[in-house]
Amino acid sequence: NAGVTQTPKFQVLKTGQSMTLQCAQDMNHNSMYWYRQDPGMGLRLIYYSASEGTTDKGEVPNGYNVSRLNKREFSLRLESAAPSQTSVYFCASSQQGDYEQYFGPGTRLTVT
Amino acid sequence: QKEVEQNSGPLSVPEGAIASLNCTYSDRGSQSFFWYRQYSGKSPELIMSIYSNGDKEDGRFTAQLNKASQYVSLLIRDSQPSDSATYLCAVNWAGGFKTIFGAGTRLFVKA
Repeated sequence: NAGVTQTPKFQVLKTGQSMTLQCAQDMNHNSMYWYRQDPGMGLRLIYYSASEGTTDKGEVPNGYNVSRLNKREFSLRLESAAPSQTSVYFCASSQQGDYEQYFGPGTRLTVT
Repeated sequence: QKEVEQNSGPLSVPEGAIASLNCTYSDRGSQSFFWYRQYSGKSPELIMSIYSNGDKEDGRFTAQLNKASQYVSLLIRDSQPSDSATYLCAVNWAGGFKTIFGAGTRLFVKA
């Protein structure tokens, strides 16, 4: 039982490049989330998916898009990366109606 | 705007002591409260959740909630060097998926 997995672990992009961060969970959770974490700041919600087939914006959605591919997988896309998107990105999941979240190992993204 | 505030620390305690971590939140509509532990370079790990006023104990950890004062705390008894980490307080508002996280308190337990 792997829990929540994320790929890649590290990524360096040039300004303007695009990429997709992948997330998968094997806990049969309905809800999934994408956060970013910057030094001195708490986790900030980018997008979430309450259940398969639905996605909604969080606190900081600008510059990102998401896809809930199926119940297991939730991807985050940066269409045109900017240095301000340099951060650590975490995917998380929870049972619907239960907000205890379980996090993946994170992706460390640097945009130059 | 909903906010969750924590003292950034660092909080330093000797091994075997009680570490007390505090968190305040801005909205009385809050329903669910969580403490996560995050080791340096790692992802957050859920250690406690609390939903009603009072204390909840789990091993060496006790979460305390006072909704009237909009205050939640985490006590770690018999602190160990392995407890050295950043502790994140998180608050969820009723009916929503948008959990707000505090910036975290760094805890150092000295051997």
